[in-house]
Amino acid sequence: KNEVEQSPQNLTAQEGEFITINCSYSVGISALHWLQQHPGGGIVSLFMLSSGKKKHGRLIATINIQEKHSSLHITASHPRDSAVYICAVRSGRGSQGNLIFGKGTKLSVKP
Amino acid sequence: DSGVTQTPKHLITATGQRVTLRCSPRSGDLSVYWYQQSLDQGLQFLIQYYNGEERAKGNILERFSAQQFPDLHSELNLSSLELGDSALYFCASGRGSYNEQFFGPGTRLTVL
Repeated sequence: KNEVEQSPQNLTAQEGEFITINCSYSVGISALHWLQQHPGGGIVSLFMLSSGKKKHGRLIATINIQEKHSSLHITASHPRDSAVYICAVRSGRGSQGNLIFGKGTKLSVKP
Repeated sequence: DSGVTQTPKHLITATGQRVTLRCSPRSGDLSVYWYQQSLDQGLQFLIQYYNGEERAKGNILERFSAQQFPDLHSELNLSSLELGDSALYFCASGRGSYNEQFFGPGTRLTVL
């Protein structure tokens, strides 16, 4: 079993829909990251959070440490949101900052 | 633009060869991370350097090595290349081990 599990693997939505991507992890963590990878391959860091909720524009990320679960929400989705969204956790062990990645959720938003 | 630069963008080479990938972190960032993204394995952490010293090691093969220089740029050396080493190699940088990481554009390595 992977230490970081994402669902769904693939998601197709119509423009304007509210989207939720889920991430569950099985290790103790010091932080959780949400990343966006565009078709060209580049990776952009969206959020880093260790508790509660963060909002940036139409994106909202939440984390529940007790339940070892995080969600990424996109409101009023747009075709330009089409990308792979990757959840990654930084293990709480030691002082290293390396990340453990989920396999990603491929989102396609149709106009 | 994350401020992290990687060269080259693309690299095509043959099995058995050796290549060097280069990464320049964002100004002020002391940590550099190397990641490998292959189709079957997804993103995997290879190695982290902090201010010139190795800080953490992940799934890095013995044929691979890295270093971080006094000016904080880093190089990842891949030797005795195999077909399975074909992948996207990303470098990321951060202020320290507990900060947000900023990813470079990646180097796409193709081993023929």
